[in-house]
Amino acid sequence: QVQLQESGPGLVKPSQTLSLTCTVSGGSISSGDYYWSWIRQHPGKGLEWIGYIYYSGSTYYNPSLKSRVTISVDTSKNQFSLKLSSVTAADTAVYYCARVATRVDFDYWGQGTLVTVSS
Amino acid sequence: SYVLTQPPSVSVAPGQTARITCGGNNIGSKSVHWYQQKPGQAPVLVVYDDSDRPSGIPERFSGSNSGNTATLTISRVEAGDEADYYCQVWDSSSVVFGGGTKLTVL
Repeated sequence: QVQLQESGPGLVKPSQTLSLTCTVSGGSISSGDYYWSWIRQHPGKGLEWIGYIYYSGSTYYNPSLKSRVTISVDTSKNQFSLKLSSVTAADTAVYYCARVATRVDFDYWGQGTLVTVSS
Repeated sequence: SYVLTQPPSVSVAPGQTARITCGGNNIGSKSVHWYQQKPGQAPVLVVYDDSDRPSGIPERFSGSNSGNTATLTISRVEAGDEADYYCQVWDSSSVVFGGGTKLTVL
């Protein structure tokens, strides 16, 4: 059973960079069978796709966030990471990592982690 | 960019059938996926590729997709089905989610 777990600071100051890591267990990122994604959800709102990455490092980003987002992968640790720069209060959200299955559906999700942007 | 439109809310009595729609331009040509999200929990995939169910999802959950509308159908609705439901597609190398529908079981 694949499991994903987000980790990182729950509080980030405005203008700084948000950094989160997703640790995958029960499956290998480097198998090449899946992409790996970040998705966020503003409080009380819907889901917003941030981007996804392949084990080789190939990435696809949401155009609306592309200028501030970097997703990277560390196959040796079976982890992938998110960096979001120049954050504002509008980036306060629950951030989820998820596995991207064949039809670009998200079949396994982490539990999510709340990141608050505040001074 | 591609837009998916869902009704904000749907209400249904227990034992009845709930239908949640997802509208998009020629959505019938795309693969549509549906997620259930209960308060404080991560979303769960309930239907993928228009009408397939992941293992462990009850047969009461089904999907269809044609023309400009995809539909998630929940038969014999139970109190435990009360949740937010999101549709999702992949378009032009981007992932798009609908705005979500709150299903209330009366």
